[in-house]
Amino acid sequence: AQTVTQSQPEMSVQEAETVTLSCTYDTSESDYYLFWYKQPPSRQMILVIRQEAYKQQNATENRFSVNFQKAAKSFSLKISDSQLGDAAMYFCAYRSSTQGGSEKLVFGKGTKLTVNP
Amino acid sequence: DAGVIQSPRHEVTEMGQEVTLRCKPISGHNSLFWYRQTMMRGLELLIYFNNNVPIDDSGMPEDRFSAKMPNASFSTLKIQPSEPRDSAVYFCASSLRVAGVGETQYFGPGTRLLVL
Repeated sequence: AQTVTQSQPEMSVQEAETVTLSCTYDTSESDYYLFWYKQPPSRQMILVIRQEAYKQQNATENRFSVNFQKAAKSFSLKISDSQLGDAAMYFCAYRSSTQGGSEKLVFGKGTKLTVNP
Repeated sequence: DAGVIQSPRHEVTEMGQEVTLRCKPISGHNSLFWYRQTMMRGLELLIYFNNNVPIDDSGMPEDRFSAKMPNASFSTLKIQPSEPRDSAVYFCASSLRVAGVGETQYFGPGTRLLVL
């Protein structure tokens, strides 16, 4: 079974600074997706970024980028120029992309990010 | 475009009562998921459907929980009878599955259930 581990229950960053959230996962599959979801106090789950395992290039979405290390099974999220609106819980998630495989998302426990003005 | 719609947004009920949560997926999506979020267990999949057919219900806690998807635009999650330990946020999500591979899942706003 796949597992996702987020070792940082809480992180804080100063506004305009950069912060990196860590995520490791365990799987025996070779084809999969990795995601970061953001959950603000409203509890809405918002997709931040997605990475396909077959792609060597790290995904980027504006101020958000990932460092995907497939051999190490590591998938960290970097937030640049942090803004007050980035304060939220961040969840790392895994999903198989094997044809016919499970579509279930497996989530980590989350990291609570605080942005200080 | 409308996202995933869930109702009700909040539900407070007494132990033993029946609870029905509703979900309307994004139009055109053919996979629908029910997740539950609690402090103790985090986010976990309860069940998911593809083309209205249940594919994986291994996360459904027990017989008190049931889920249906009578058509492509509507699903229900029912708890009968409800218990205080069912208190949680229940999310519905949907995605498009093409050629046997599912795409990104988009979540609804969740239903916050409190069972007294």
